[in-house]
Amino acid sequence: QITLKESGPTLVKPTQTLTLTCTFSGFSLTTSGVSVGWIRQPPGKALEWLAHIYWNDDYRYTPSLKNRLTITKDTSKNQVVLTLTNMDPVDTATYYCARRQDVWSPGGGFDIWGLGTVVIVSS
Amino acid sequence: AIQLTQSPSSLSTSVGDRVTITCRASQGINSAVAWYQQKPGKPPRLLIDDASSLESGVPSRFSGSGSGTDFTLTISSLQPEDFATYYCQQFSSYPLTFGGGTRVEIK
Repeated sequence: QITLKESGPTLVKPTQTLTLTCTFSGFSLTTSGVSVGWIRQPPGKALEWLAHIYWNDDYRYTPSLKNRLTITKDTSKNQVVLTLTNMDPVDTATYYCARRQDVWSPGGGFDIWGLGTVVIVSS
Repeated sequence: AIQLTQSPSSLSTSVGDRVTITCRASQGINSAVAWYQQKPGKPPRLLIDDASSLESGVPSRFSGSGSGTDFTLTISSLQPEDFATYYCQQFSSYPLTFGGGTRVEIK
């Protein structure tokens, strides 16, 4: 069974750095073709893709947040870590990690999602 | 970035109705579209990948079509559990982008 679970602080203050951890099981980020991404959803709003990391250490960021985002992986712990610096109230959202379909397959959607973690930015 | 425009943004409909949701891309993306269903307080669920491939376990009343810039998600006969918000997503190029969502409500 494949699962992903997000963890991190619920409340952060403006200007602080947010660190979120995605711990997964049932697959390995050392397997060719595997990748994991982060997506967020502000309350009542649409989904927004943030970052992505591949088995081969390749990574991508959304341009609007590129200067604030860092994504890393720890394959020994089956974890993907996302950091977002200089937090602002507009960053208040539910943050999800999700596995993306194998790059060798025709599809490219996110087939397995974590339950999400709520992050509130407030002083 | 490729923009995805979904329409309608919301619709009120009844059990048994046929529902069609459209997603228009700002440039051609072949068949690189996925469709998701999201219920309140839950993560999205992948329904359709590569524009028309039904994910395992998804009821056959869901179908997807389209290529290039215009895509469609169809629910042939709406069931009570289908009332939710639906999103399209393109994976043709980075940044990955999602549509604004279509909320399907009970009439």
